[in-house]
Amino acid sequence: NAGVTQTPKFQVLKTGQSMTLQCAQDMNHNSMYWYRQDPGMGLRLIYYSASEGTTDKGEVPNGYNVSRLNKREFSLRLESAAPSQTSVYFCASSEQITRGALSPLHFGNGTRLTVT
Amino acid sequence: GQQLNQSPQSMFIQEGEDVSMNCTSSSIFNTWLWYKQDPGEGPVLLIALYKAGELTSNGRLTAQFGITRKDSFLNISASIPSDVGIYFCAGQLARGQNFVFGPGTRLSVLP
Repeated sequence: NAGVTQTPKFQVLKTGQSMTLQCAQDMNHNSMYWYRQDPGMGLRLIYYSASEGTTDKGEVPNGYNVSRLNKREFSLRLESAAPSQTSVYFCASSEQITRGALSPLHFGNGTRLTVT
Repeated sequence: GQQLNQSPQSMFIQEGEDVSMNCTSSSIFNTWLWYKQDPGEGPVLLIALYKAGELTSNGRLTAQFGITRKDSFLNISASIPSDVGIYFCAGQLARGQNFVFGPGTRLSVLP
């Protein structure tokens, strides 16, 4: 059971370039998330998808777009990368246990992105 | 946004010592999670807490859901070198809301 798989593991971009980070989960979870992790700041939510066909902004959505391709896959796109987007990006998934209560998040191993 | 505070920010301990860390907020949470992150990897769930006052163990780890619902504690007994990493707390404020994360406690274990 792979859990949450992210690709690529590492990426270097020049300012202004675009790229898409891929994420897939095999746990049949309804909800998927994209976080960024910066030193001393914990994990901040960029976008999430509560269920297939829906996406919503999180705490830090500017400069990003997402696509919930199907129940398994949730991609994050940087249209015009900026140095401020240098970070480690984590995808996660969870399931709704009861009305509104979420199961714990399961994380991928991250994509380390550097924008020069 | 909602903030969770974790203390200490970092700690250096000797192998074999017990460790205590906590997570606090000014708001009431209905779920607390504790994660560990090893270098180069994603956070891995250690313990989940769902009721005020709940005390849950996972091997040498014990976590408690504070009775005020504004805090949570994680204890590690008899630390070993593989306990090194960053420990994150996360909380769900209310049903339907996403988890928020603390900034982490970085643990170093000296042999």
